[in-house]
Amino acid sequence: DAKTTQPNSMESNEEEPVHLPCNHSTISGTDYIHWYRQLPSQGPEYVIHGLTSNVNNRMASLAIAEDRKSSTLILHRATLRDAAVYYCILRANSGAGSYQLTFGKGTKLSVIP
Amino acid sequence: EAQVTQNPRYLITVTGKKLTVTCSQNMNHEYMSWYRQDPGLGLRQIYYSMNVEVTDKGDVPEGYKVSRKEKRNFPLILESPSPNQTSLYFCASSLVSSYNSPLHFGNGTRLTVT
Repeated sequence: DAKTTQPNSMESNEEEPVHLPCNHSTISGTDYIHWYRQLPSQGPEYVIHGLTSNVNNRMASLAIAEDRKSSTLILHRATLRDAAVYYCILRANSGAGSYQLTFGKGTKLSVIP
Repeated sequence: EAQVTQNPRYLITVTGKKLTVTCSQNMNHEYMSWYRQDPGLGLRQIYYSMNVEVTDKGDVPEGYKVSRKEKRNFPLILESPSPNQTSLYFCASSLVSSYNSPLHFGNGTRLTVT
């Protein structure tokens, strides 16, 4: 899997929007961008994924740069329950490699009441 | 409830004493995988399985074995555990039919080898 770069940590005030950046300058044309998060004492959970277009779901939004070399996970109103480590992962769209996911160190998000 | 169940949640053992960590999923997923998580190193894949009787090495397979005799179960075996295998272990599963199916993770097994 191609490499991603994320800030080690970020802080947000409760009920404010949060923009979590991810750089993936070596992304291939067929790699999907996936985001997972890991709450304290739990396994990672899926958040969202996309290829080229921006994506929305009930948890978050994903904004993908036009050149696909970066993306941003957007939490529209951070709550204390959103405090977690967020992982940005590139996933090949075919073959066994699509299941060999590389989780980097992620971004630890702290939410301040 | 759809879930991935790992047992035990906590395990303390001694060097060289064989152990098995079980993983079971109730979602009829073909793909299953084991990860270990260590401070400063993130999650690293140990082994994965695309279906029954099909397993393959991940990034850090040394010292581990797996088997996939049934679709729902994917045990992780440490034949001779060593202290450097002290870690937090996660099992995950996913559908194979769609390459973008989300991974579902268990809640982890914290292993300490003394």
